[in-house]
Amino acid sequence: DTGVSQDPRHKITKRGQNVTFRCDPISEHNRLYWYRQTLGQGPEFLTYFQNEAQLEKSRLLSDRFSAERPKGSFSTLEIQRTEQGDSAMYLCASRGVDNEQFFGPGTRLTVL
Amino acid sequence: AQSVTQPDIHITVSEGASLELRCNYSYGATPYLFWYVQSPGQGLQLLLKYFSGDTLVQGIKGFEAEFKRSQSSFNLRKPSVHWRDAAEYYCAAVSGAGSYQLTFGKGTKLSVIP
Repeated sequence: DTGVSQDPRHKITKRGQNVTFRCDPISEHNRLYWYRQTLGQGPEFLTYFQNEAQLEKSRLLSDRFSAERPKGSFSTLEIQRTEQGDSAMYLCASRGVDNEQFFGPGTRLTVL
Repeated sequence: AQSVTQPDIHITVSEGASLELRCNYSYGATPYLFWYVQSPGQGLQLLLKYFSGDTLVQGIKGFEAEFKRSQSSFNLRKPSVHWRDAAEYYCAAVSGAGSYQLTFGKGTKLSVIP
């Protein structure tokens, strides 16, 4: 059973650098979500894809953030000119035909 | 605005004791409701979900939750806690329309005394 995978699991970067995270959803799931979780908080929605179309974006997703899902399979989340406030756990989830979202292990970003 | 509230930030129970974690939601219509568990360094694992029907739902690892429309609550329970249950627990909701994005509470950290 291959669940949702995310790469890398940890990323340490310096302020101002660009970073990119990858998410591989469950293969038959056409819906994919990105969430951000900061310390002591629950996950917060960032963006949603159905197949390759990005259908919804949160106000949390500033113009320094961009997400893609080019062939409707894996997705990438890029953060440009990282800031210390971007330090968080970035979670990816996928959903099939029902209403259950399956989460990956997350990518923990630390911006120095 | 739609919101999920978990009133208890941290709960400590003794192993073998019963557990109840509280969750309240504020939505215009009854949302779909979920409980997730997160162990340190891990992603979120779904414990149980409520869409409609029977208000008492059974989940994995011996957990259950009861939906009470009159109280806008969806509390998680377990009759006997094991030390392995120590983790962060999140209640979440999704409105039955649009992207089905989850709205999470801030979580309740469960500590278990052996």
